[in-house]
Amino acid sequence: GQNIDQPTEMTATEGAIVQINCTYQTSGFNGLFWYQQHAGEAPTFLSYNVLDGLEEKGRFSSFLSRSKGYSYLLLKELQMKDSASYLCAATDSNYQLIWGAGTKLIIKP
Amino acid sequence: NAGVTQTPKFQVLKTGQSMTLQCAQDMNHEYMSWYRQDPGMGLRLIHYSVGAGITDQGEVPNGYNVSRSTTEDFPLRLLSAAPSQTSVYFCASSQASSGANVLTFGAGSRLTVL
Repeated sequence: GQNIDQPTEMTATEGAIVQINCTYQTSGFNGLFWYQQHAGEAPTFLSYNVLDGLEEKGRFSSFLSRSKGYSYLLLKELQMKDSASYLCAATDSNYQLIWGAGTKLIIKP
Repeated sequence: NAGVTQTPKFQVLKTGQSMTLQCAQDMNHEYMSWYRQDPGMGLRLIHYSVGAGITDQGEVPNGYNVSRSTTEDFPLRLLSAAPSQTSVYFCASSQASSGANVLTFGAGSRLTVL
């Protein structure tokens, strides 16, 4: 079956760095997305990886290893506003998105 | 541009009642979809559409109907509400259904079925 695994909750300190991992199993693969979702709000797009390697976008970076079925989202210089859930989603061979349950990130001062 | 507009934001229904969640987008996106989000679970696809006049079932279509008469609108109908349909519903759209097509989500509709 198709499956996405990511930690349920993580805690980090303001100003620090945190890495949120995601492993996926899909029938075919056409890319991996990360979305941010603040409590009570809609998900918003953060990043997309389809080739192996690291994509950097400001304080956020996303990494993909297709051979390992693994991705991570790296957040640097954490700010209180980064407190949110981070959703990992893989695209299968039919371009349908398979979503993880999300990682709730708690930032402490 | 308003993006994706969903109404209502909140709704309480009694078991057996029917209702329609409205979704409209002004970005001329071909692809539109409805998801439900439940605690501890990933977003689950209910129905989707790749263009006007075309709809298809997602992972959890039972108890829901959709139609796509225009590019802009994609309403979701609950035929006979059940407590299991208590959830937060998101409408989302993108330019196409393949490749690196980023979804734009509506603000969500929180539905409670008593």
